Formats: sequence, C-alpha cells, structure tokens
Amino acid sequence: VQLVESGGGLVQPGGSLRLSCDASEYSFSTNWMAWVRQAPGKGLQWVANINEDGSEKYYVDSVRGRFTISRDNAKNSLSLQMNSLRGEDTAVYYCVTGAWSYGYWGQGTPVTVSS
Amino acid sequence: ETVMTQFPATLSVSPGERATLSCRASQTVDNNLAWYQQKPGQAPRLLINGASTRIGGTPARFSGSGSGTDFTLTISSLQSEDFAVYYCQQYINWPRTFGQGTKVEIK
Repeated sequence: VQLVESGGGLVQPGGSLRLSCDASEYSFSTNWMAWVRQAPGKGLQWVANINEDGSEKYYVDSVRGRFTISRDNAKNSLSLQMNSLRGEDTAVYYCVTGAWSYGYWGQGTPVTVSS
Repeated sequence: ETVMTQFPATLSVSPGERATLSCRASQTVDNNLAWYQQKPGQAPRLLINGASTRIGGTPARFSGSGSGTDFTLTISSLQSEDFAVYYCQQYINWPRTFGQGTKVEIK
C-alpha cells in the first residue's frame, strides 16, 4: 500500500489549501479513509473520516465547517479542502486508511499557517 | 468526546528490560482500542488493535491487554528499535481520539 500526500505548504491565516492523497496497491474504493494531523512536537489528532462512497463524513469539532473531506474513487484519490485556516492548524497532515484503527499511513505533508 | 490519558509521559528503560505503558479512557471503549508506534521523522505504525490483537509484522514481544477503560501495552524485552513514542487510540465513538503519547527512552 502506498499513500502519497501533496498540497501542503505555507499559507496565511484565513487562507485556503487543498491536500491530496494518491493511493496505490490498495482497494481504495472499498475502504474508509481519513486524515490525521500532528502539530510540531505534539501528539496525533484525528481530523476527518469518509466512508467508501463518500456518503458519510465525520469531523473533529475544531475543523467542522472549515474543512471538507472528499474522495474520487475513479482516481484512487482522497482530498482535504481546508478553508479559513488558523495558526492552530499548523501540522503535518497524514492520509490514513480505515475508520477504526488506522492501518496504513502516508509520509505526511506539512501545513504551516503563518503571516 | 472520549478523552484518552496515557501514563507515564516518559518511560526510561534499559535494553532487555520490560516496559509497561498505560492508557485510560474517560468512558468505556470496550475493546475498541489501538496502539501505535512512532519513531522520529516517521509516520506512526499500527501495532495492535482490538486492545490485544497484534497486527501482522508486530513482534511477539509486544502485547496489549485491558478492556473498558484501562489498557496496557507491554514490551517484554526492549530492543533498540523499540525506543519510540507510543500512542493509544479509541474507535468506539466519534471523534476518534488519541492519547498524548508515552515516550520510551533509553535509560
């Protein structure tokens, strides 16, 4: 299983960023997917989950209404649209498989929110 | 939200010794608990789910136990590659929540 994230970078507070994750060697369309983040020097925080066909989505309270998780099963791709970014959103964002325990992780893409 | 508390925050252990890490949930999670290992600069790796089921590739020296609110990860004889940060995570309800981690360091 390979999960490759992209789209991270430096953005100003209030700005937007779209993260992507390309999955290969994996039954993408039949599995839940998620995003988990890790602020610098801190622990892990679950951000969002999406079911197999995109009809169910769950978010941590701190991002609900600002972030949107989505998927394109035809392209084996997962996305996270992040709007109204804040300093506390600064973290490495990991694309992960699952909805219960998280079995496979990408290498992460860093997001820095700063002026 | 189910708060996961891990203790101790740091555990100093000599190679070959036994390490015992604890994780407590603020409400019952039955056995819906996973353990992860994270080494510096790497993504976390799933070790155990279902509180006690080792994932394929997890060495037998790692064992998980507990149910309800109190859980333990035991490393029977620490190897050099086991020095890392360990996280527990519950998956009985949303939001999924992680403990703050226990760092296992060389004594």
